[in-house]
Amino acid sequence: AQSVAQPEDQVNVAEGNPLTVKCTYSVSGNPYLFWYVQYPNRGLQFLLKYITGDNLVKGSYGFEAEFNKSQTSFHLKKPSALVSDSALYFCAVRGRNDYKLSFGAGTTVTVRA
Amino acid sequence: EAGVVQSPRYKIIEKKQPVAFWCNPISGHNTLYWYRQNLGQGPELLIRYENEEAVDDSQLPKDRFSAERLKGVDSTLKIQPAELGDSAVYLCASSLGGVWFVADEQFFGPGTRLTVL
Repeated sequence: AQSVAQPEDQVNVAEGNPLTVKCTYSVSGNPYLFWYVQYPNRGLQFLLKYITGDNLVKGSYGFEAEFNKSQTSFHLKKPSALVSDSALYFCAVRGRNDYKLSFGAGTTVTVRA
Repeated sequence: EAGVVQSPRYKIIEKKQPVAFWCNPISGHNTLYWYRQNLGQGPELLIRYENEEAVDDSQLPKDRFSAERLKGVDSTLKIQPAELGDSAVYLCASSLGGVWFVADEQFFGPGTRLTVL
């Protein structure tokens, strides 16, 4: 069975500081990995995905994520956080031969001015 | 490009009442998903459609939940009768589908927040 763990319920950073949201996964074989962001009363918005190739993936709004196969991690990063980045972030995994997308429980990011 | 449209956005009903949610996916997207998101949790898949065919409804509580996707476009998810534990956000998502479906990102609608009293 595939699963995702987001070990931090909340992440708090000051505006302008680096932001990291952690994600580890478990899946049979090589994974497809995704990050989504959810703003209040909105649906999930796609940020980025890892399919294959370069371990560093760049996405929307200045976010990037690094795939680490040995550590089974896919941490989301942003070099300089903005107050507008405050939201709920979800990591998701899918096996190469499986359509089912499994989400983590989410991490609430708060960026203070 | 218009996104995934869902209605209603909010619904409050009493237990044992029926309720229906509607979804219009992104034009050209063959795959449609219904998810349930409980408070403080990630979305959980209820059913997946490829065009008009429900290819996986294994997580759908079939005693009270039903879904349809007529003509392979719009979809409706119904609960009858609703129970207190059905209170959640119901999300619809769509993706291109086809050969590369496992690598597709899914595009989500804003969801319907259901409260069962």
